[in-house]
Parts: sequence; C-alpha cells; structure tokens
Amino acid sequence: DAKTTQPNSMESNEEEPVHLPCNHSTISGTDYIHWYRQLPSQGPEYVIHGLTSNVNNRMASLAIAEDRKSSTLILHRATLRDAAVYYCISAQGGSEKLVFGKGTKLTVNP
Amino acid sequence: GAVVSQHPSWVICKSGTSVKIECRSLDFQATTMFWYRQFPKQSLMLMATSNEGSKATYEQGVEKDKFLINHASLTLSTLTVTSAHPEDSSFYICSARDQGSPLHFGNGTRLTVT
Repeated sequence: DAKTTQPNSMESNEEEPVHLPCNHSTISGTDYIHWYRQLPSQGPEYVIHGLTSNVNNRMASLAIAEDRKSSTLILHRATLRDAAVYYCISAQGGSEKLVFGKGTKLTVNP
Repeated sequence: GAVVSQHPSWVICKSGTSVKIECRSLDFQATTMFWYRQFPKQSLMLMATSNEGSKATYEQGVEKDKFLINHASLTLSTLTVTSAHPEDSSFYICSARDQGSPLHFGNGTRLTVT
C-alpha cells in the first residue's frame, strides 16, 4: 500500500471549515483513499473514502486531486466533537488491511 | 450499521499471567478480522490478520506464540496475550468489515500489566 504524508497537527475554530491535506504521491491506479478518525481512547471511526471523484457524505467531503497524488478532507463546520486524530490511508479497493500512518491531530478551539 | 464489539474495555493483570480479549462482529459475519496495537501517542500498528477456520497471519516482528489468535466462528476472534509483561501494556483494537461496508473498529481494550 502506498505511503501517505499528513501534517502532524492542525488547529481550527469552532463552526469554521477545516481542510485536512494528505499527500499520496506513490498511489497506484487501483488504490482508494480512506479517511478515518480516532477520538481519545476509542477505536478509529470511518469518515469517508474515494477513488477519483470527489465524495460527500454526512460527515465530510473528500476532494481528490486530478492526478490523485493528493487529497483533502473537508469538514464544513468544525465542532468540538471533531477534535481527533485524522488518518489518511491509501489501500487497494476492497482491501480490509489498512496500514495507519501518524495522522493529523486536529484541535478545535471554542 | 455494522458494529464491532470488544471485551473487556480495560483489564489490569499481573506480570506472567495471560489475558484474553474478545472481538465480535455483532450484526454481520466476518471471515477476516484484524488486530492492532497502539502505544500512547503513537499510531495503530497492525499485529495480525485473523482468519476464520485457519491460522492467523502475523506481521513481521509480532511473536505468534505470545499473541495467540483464535477465530473459531464467523463472529468471534480472540487475542490472548500470554505471559504478559509490563511492556505489553497497550491499547489493543480489532477491526472487521461487513461485505460492501467500510472497515469497522472496536472501541479497543486497554491492557495494563503490573
């Protein structure tokens, strides 16, 4: 699975949008981009995933660059409950074996 | 939606004893489950792939005789930490996926070995 690179940490203010970047320059054509988040002392929670087109769900949006070498997770209005470590993972479609990097710790300020 | 349940959520044991952690898929069958370990302020590290009805596949550097995995049914995988030592204290997390759904994770088991 291709390696991803994320900033160690980011800060946001409550009710403002948050853009979390992820670089995956060695991604293969069949690798999906998955985003999970982990709140303290909990298991990771699925956020969103995509292959080529931008994706939206009730939690977030995923914007994927045309060359697929990077993507951005967008939280449209951050809340205090969105404070977590966000992991960007690239893996083959249908793959259940996810390898986690260090992720981005998001702090949301009231 | 699919739910993965772990038990216990936390456990304290004495050095030298063994501890069993259960991972259940509550509303779906999982032929494959995954076990991760997470140390404080670090990311999740994949330990092994648990396969129903066959031997688990361990990641490099993970001792199979120390971390015994049993996947006896389509809804249950167990991880037994044998002869636990303080350095085995960690947050253990399992995951499984229902067909066509994203991977779901349990809420983890915090093991403290004294």
